[in-house]
Amino acid sequence: QKEVEQNSGPLSVPEGAIASLNCTYSDRGSQSFFWYRQYSGKSPELIMFIYSNGDKEDGRFTAQLNKASQYVSLLIRDSQPSDSATYLCAGLESGGSYIPTFGRGTSLIVHP
Amino acid sequence: GAVVSQHPSWVICKSGTSVKIECRSLDFQATTMFWYRQFPKQSLMLMATSNEGSKATYEQGVEKDKFLINHASLTLSTLTVTSAHPEDSSFYICSAKTGGTYQPQHFGDGTRLSIL
Repeated sequence: QKEVEQNSGPLSVPEGAIASLNCTYSDRGSQSFFWYRQYSGKSPELIMFIYSNGDKEDGRFTAQLNKASQYVSLLIRDSQPSDSATYLCAGLESGGSYIPTFGRGTSLIVHP
Repeated sequence: GAVVSQHPSWVICKSGTSVKIECRSLDFQATTMFWYRQFPKQSLMLMATSNEGSKATYEQGVEKDKFLINHASLTLSTLTVTSAHPEDSSFYICSAKTGGTYQPQHFGDGTRLSIL
């Protein structure tokens, strides 16, 4: 069974710090990965996606993928209180059914 | 780009009523749409996957006669909760994606369903 694991948290960081969110996956066939942010009572919002080993940067966000270690992470630089949310990691197998597997999410709290 | 509109955003109705939720991709053609359910402080639970013009594929434990899904066009999918009961009260979220392998899915704003 394909699994995507995330620490549920909460992860608490001070404003201005770097928040590091981690995700591991069991299916070596997974090729692309997505990070979503979900505020309480709202639906998930896509932040970034990555499918090549290495880093991908977009503003304050950096996604990192290491397929050998089956590990994907999201770094948030200069964290703001508005970044406080649950972050969902999802993996997608290429050539498969296009159904992504979601982790349970990590709760991030950025305190002033 | 990649906007998914979901309607209604909030529904309150009596037990036994059937409720239809619409999910539209506004600026792209969605070859695949997904329906999720989420209880408070719980993770997303995939209910079903639908491809345009074909029958939906339901996840194990989801009653297909209870949750009717129609994906009649590349921009519209509907979920009908038939004869809803209080235990069906939840946050229902649709998402849509194009057929590209690496393409992410984009979520609608969700529908909060409360059955009295």
